[in-house]
Amino acid sequence: DAGVTQSPTHLIKTRGQHVTLRCSPISGHKSVSWYQQVLGQGPQFIFQYYEKEERGRGNFPDRFSARQFPNYSSELNVNALLLGDSALYLCASSLSAGLNSPLHFGNGTRLTVT
Amino acid sequence: QKEVEQNSGPLSVPEGAIASLNCTYSDRGSQSFFWYRQYSGKSPELIMSIYSNGDKEDGRFTAQLNKASQYVSLLIRDSQPSDSATYLCAVNRGSNYQLIWGAGTKLIIKP
Repeated sequence: DAGVTQSPTHLIKTRGQHVTLRCSPISGHKSVSWYQQVLGQGPQFIFQYYEKEERGRGNFPDRFSARQFPNYSSELNVNALLLGDSALYLCASSLSAGLNSPLHFGNGTRLTVT
Repeated sequence: QKEVEQNSGPLSVPEGAIASLNCTYSDRGSQSFFWYRQYSGKSPELIMSIYSNGDKEDGRFTAQLNKASQYVSLLIRDSQPSDSATYLCAVNRGSNYQLIWGAGTKLIIKP
């Protein structure tokens, strides 16, 4: 079975631009979460979606938005990019939104903002 | 105080020895605990999950949870050079659906 797939793998953008990152979960997984990981730190929670509804949102500005589609794939959008948005963006899927449902990560999208 | 704390390392362990990684957390309401391994430039990979006090073994890995003392640990027996990576501890507090992560411990297994 295919794992979590993310696209693109790498992206270079200029300050002020916007970006869309895409994620396809493991087949059968209905929950998708997005995390931001800056070098040397653990991942920081951005969003969780379950059955196309937002279930959780981390401490990120409104420039960050996301959605989940009927096939459970997801998009993360970031507007008005800042240099500080440069990071590895991780998508993770899980069977459910429950507390005991482990996350399975994709390979990530490396975003560089210049 | 950070919500989830780990020693950043690096922790250097001889090949074949036991590597011991520790993690403490601040929220007593935390309910689920996970260990992830992350190789440089790669995404985190789930190693172990533990939900109740005590030990949980899976192959060379043993996770230990002590909710009274608010710590969770990971033991790696017969350490191999391929175990060299950063090990991330993640905790689900139960108040919402997010995981809170430590900054990770870098483990180096010396041949």
